[in-house]
Amino acid sequence: NAGVMQNPRHLVRRRGQEARLRCSPMKGHSHVYWYRQLPEEGLKFMVYLQKENIIDESGMPKERFSAEFPKEGPSILRIQQVVRGDSAAYFCASSPMGAITYEQYFGPGTRLTVT
Amino acid sequence: DAKTTQPTSMDCAEGRAANLPCNHSTISGNEYVYWYRQIHSQGPQYIIHGLKNNETNEMASLIITEDRKSSTLILPHATLRDTAVYYCIGPFTGANNLFFGTGTRLTVIP
Repeated sequence: NAGVMQNPRHLVRRRGQEARLRCSPMKGHSHVYWYRQLPEEGLKFMVYLQKENIIDESGMPKERFSAEFPKEGPSILRIQQVVRGDSAAYFCASSPMGAITYEQYFGPGTRLTVT
Repeated sequence: DAKTTQPTSMDCAEGRAANLPCNHSTISGNEYVYWYRQIHSQGPQYIIHGLKNNETNEMASLIITEDRKSSTLILPHATLRDTAVYYCIGPFTGANNLFFGTGTRLTVIP
């Protein structure tokens, strides 16, 4: 049973470009969470999605960031017009039951570097 | 978010038990305590969780005090691969996400 997959593992973007980060949850999991980790800091929650629905986006910056989890395909975290402060590790996690249990399974992360 | 307090760092000799404490004095009666760890730059890994009874699995044991205001994660025989940042965290009730603090950086020494 493959774990949570994220790609790309490393992404370099120039300021002003768009970044697209992909997350495929574990098989059978229908809940996806995105977290961001700045250097030397703990993970910070960004958004929680179920298939075709955003359940909680309280941690998402109001501008330039969006997330989706379509009926088919991976979840996408999209960052428009990236700035240097967006440089971070972005982790995706999945769970089978969402808010009922907090046993979340994390992917290896995507390291975004904005130059 | 409910607050947890952990020591910033700890050392443990290889082969000995590592005991990682956590204070969660504001926890309410139906809130679980979760433990995760993050090995250098990797995604966090779930370890264990508990409500009021002590719990044990293949990775660790979790001891929760009777008043539930603190808990201790025990790695019975620490190995070098257990060197990581350990997070005592919770949602808690009503939230959909894990609130990661700064954790305890455990270094297992040969």
